[in-house]
Amino acid sequence: QKEVEQDPGPLSVPEGAIVSLNCTYSNSAFQYFMWYRQYSRKGPELLMYTYSSGNKEDGRFTAQVDKSSKYISLFIRDSQPSDSATYLCAMSVGSGGSNYKLTFGKGTLLTVNP
Amino acid sequence: DSGVTQTPKHLITATGQRVTLRCSPRSGDLSVYWYQQSLDQGLQFLIQYYNGEERAKGNILERFSAQQFPDLHSELNLSSLELGDSALYFCASSSQGLREQYFGPGTRLTVT
Repeated sequence: QKEVEQDPGPLSVPEGAIVSLNCTYSNSAFQYFMWYRQYSRKGPELLMYTYSSGNKEDGRFTAQVDKSSKYISLFIRDSQPSDSATYLCAMSVGSGGSNYKLTFGKGTLLTVNP
Repeated sequence: DSGVTQTPKHLITATGQRVTLRCSPRSGDLSVYWYQQSLDQGLQFLIQYYNGEERAKGNILERFSAQQFPDLHSELNLSSLELGDSALYFCASSSQGLREQYFGPGTRLTVT
């Protein structure tokens, strides 16, 4: 079983739709959760960062973490064609050490159609 | 623009050769991370440096090595290249004590 599972899609939605992207994980030591957006052939861009469980909102984006279920979500409201990209979830353990490596899901390809 | 720079953008080389990828972190960031992205494996952590010292190793092959210099830029050296090493190589940096990593634009390596 992979440490982080993410449905690769592809996911196609009409403009204005609410998009839900999800990841599950198996390592209970993960405490830091991030969502990155990656346009084709570009570097990943940090969208949202959450520590432990709970919700975080930033504009049209909401990140949710449910540690009891080992499940994280990213919601995009009023989706735009410019949101078309691959979305990657990433996680890091919460130990006191200096290893802050990120473990990534394989990404979900999203297309928002005008 | 994340503030992380990587050179070159593209690299085409032959099997058996050696290449060096370069990364400059964001101003003030002491940690540098290297990742490899391939279609089948996704983004995989290779190695982390903090202020010139190696801090963590991931799925990095023995043919690969890295270092971080006093000016904090980092280089990833790939030797005895194989076709399977063709991938996107990303560098990321983070501030001291923070988990958020900021990625560079990547170097696309093609081994022929």
